[in-house]
Amino acid sequence: DIQMTQSPSSLSASVGDRVTITCQASQDIDKYLNWYQQKPGKPPNLLIYDVSNLESGVSSRFSGSGSGTHFTLTVSSLQPEDVATYYCQHYDHLPLTFGGGTKVEIK
Amino acid sequence: QITLKESGPTLVKPTQTLTLTCSFSGFSLSTSGEAVAWFRQPPGRTLEWLAHISWDDDKRYSPSLQKRVTITKDTSGNQAVLTLTNMDPVDTGTYYCAHRRRYITIFDFWGQGISVTVSS
Repeated sequence: DIQMTQSPSSLSASVGDRVTITCQASQDIDKYLNWYQQKPGKPPNLLIYDVSNLESGVSSRFSGSGSGTHFTLTVSSLQPEDVATYYCQHYDHLPLTFGGGTKVEIK
Repeated sequence: QITLKESGPTLVKPTQTLTLTCSFSGFSLSTSGEAVAWFRQPPGRTLEWLAHISWDDDKRYSPSLQKRVTITKDTSGNQAVLTLTNMDPVDTGTYYCAHRRRYITIFDFWGQGISVTVSS
C-alpha cells in the first residue's frame, strides 16, 4: 500500500496568512493526487484533483502543486471559513489511501 | 444535483454483520462510467477506503477487509449496499458513501455519513 504522510499534523495561523500543507507519498504516484477539506461533523469536500485542478465552486485561494512523491496544498490568504482538517488522497492504484490529515486553526 | 444518503443501524454488537445502504439521486449506477464507493472514519482519525462498485458491476475491495466486506448494487441502479461481517469495536466510526466522477477516481459528492458504534 502507498503511505501518504502529511505535515504538519496541525497548524495555527492568522487571518490573511499564506498556509502550506505538504503531502509525501511513499512511491511515485504521478499526478494521481486529490485534496479534501473536512469541517467538524461534515463529510469531506473535494478541493483539488489531479494535483492542481481546482474543483468547481472552490475558492481560488486554494491551489495545489507537486509531482511524483511530493505535493503541496496552499491557501493564499487564510479565512475563518477555512478552519478544517485537510486530507490528501492518492489514486495511483488500489488501495486508495489518505494522509493523516492537517488540522488548520485560526490564531 | 447529486445527493447521497447512508442508512442502517447505528449500534451493532461484536460478531454481528453490519449492512448499510447508500441511496442516491442525480445519477444511476446503470449508466456507463458511474461508480459509488464506501469509506469510513474512526473518531479523530483519517479516512479509509473500503470498497467501490461500478456501473458494470466491477467490484473492488480494500485488501485489509476483503474477507469481511461485500458491496452490491440494486437493479434499479439507485442504491449501493455495503455489508461488513464479524464486527469488532475497532470498526466503530462514521461510514460514508460517495459518488465517483465518471471514469476518474475523484469523489465529488458525499453522503452526510452514518455513525456506527460496535459495542455489546
